Amino acid sequence: NFMLTQPHSVSESPGKTVTISCTRSSGSIASNYVQWYQQRPGSSPTTVIYEDNQRPSGVPDRFSGSIDSSSNSASLTISGLKTEDEADYYCQSYDSSNQVFGGGTKLTVL
Amino acid sequence: QLQLQESGPGLVKPSETLSLTCTVSGGSISSSSYYWGWIRQPPGKGLEWIGSIYYSGSTYYNPSLKSRVTISVDTSKNQFSLKLSSVTAADTAVYYCARLRFPIRFDYWGQGTLVTVSS
Repeated sequence: NFMLTQPHSVSESPGKTVTISCTRSSGSIASNYVQWYQQRPGSSPTTVIYEDNQRPSGVPDRFSGSIDSSSNSASLTISGLKTEDEADYYCQSYDSSNQVFGGGTKLTVL
Repeated sequence: QLQLQESGPGLVKPSETLSLTCTVSGGSISSSSYYWGWIRQPPGKGLEWIGSIYYSGSTYYNPSLKSRVTISVDTSKNQFSLKLSSVTAADTAVYYCARLRFPIRFDYWGQGTLVTVSS
């Protein structure tokens, strides 16, 4: 099985851009789609990016996703930061039978 | 709109079995292409996938929990269930049920239920 590693926390000011990384420990990041979930305190996770770079309806285009095979990692980029973006963000991927979540990144917008 | 709702005891004694049920409404649990999964989150920590089940009964389990986990499905009630045996304090968590667009992503989640393991 593989692991997904995220930074524990990131912080940035309103209006700025932040990028959260998710590095796969073994196997190619490109071989299985990566999803990103946002979780606000006391709430269930919701999808902000699926299948590497797709946004569900209702998610603003300030949210974007990408993968980088050279670093074997996925990234979530949030531009034009708003205070409402402050939350925990989790990446998730899978192999043939298992689901794997990253450890989560706490985004602080200050 | 699809909805999932977890139910079960909020307190379980150490060494006993944790049992939860997820009731699906607004859609059929027998839909093709979808699995149904359990995910947990210890207080202040991250998400951990427990396992997933298809309406036919086919299951996948997290290898780290496999020896203690059983997930079952009742299509007549549009429900699926989780049993986790020999629990310890480390199993204290919010337990979520969710729909899995197999094998890729979870797209609908329940609100979660806190289960505390304590004597």
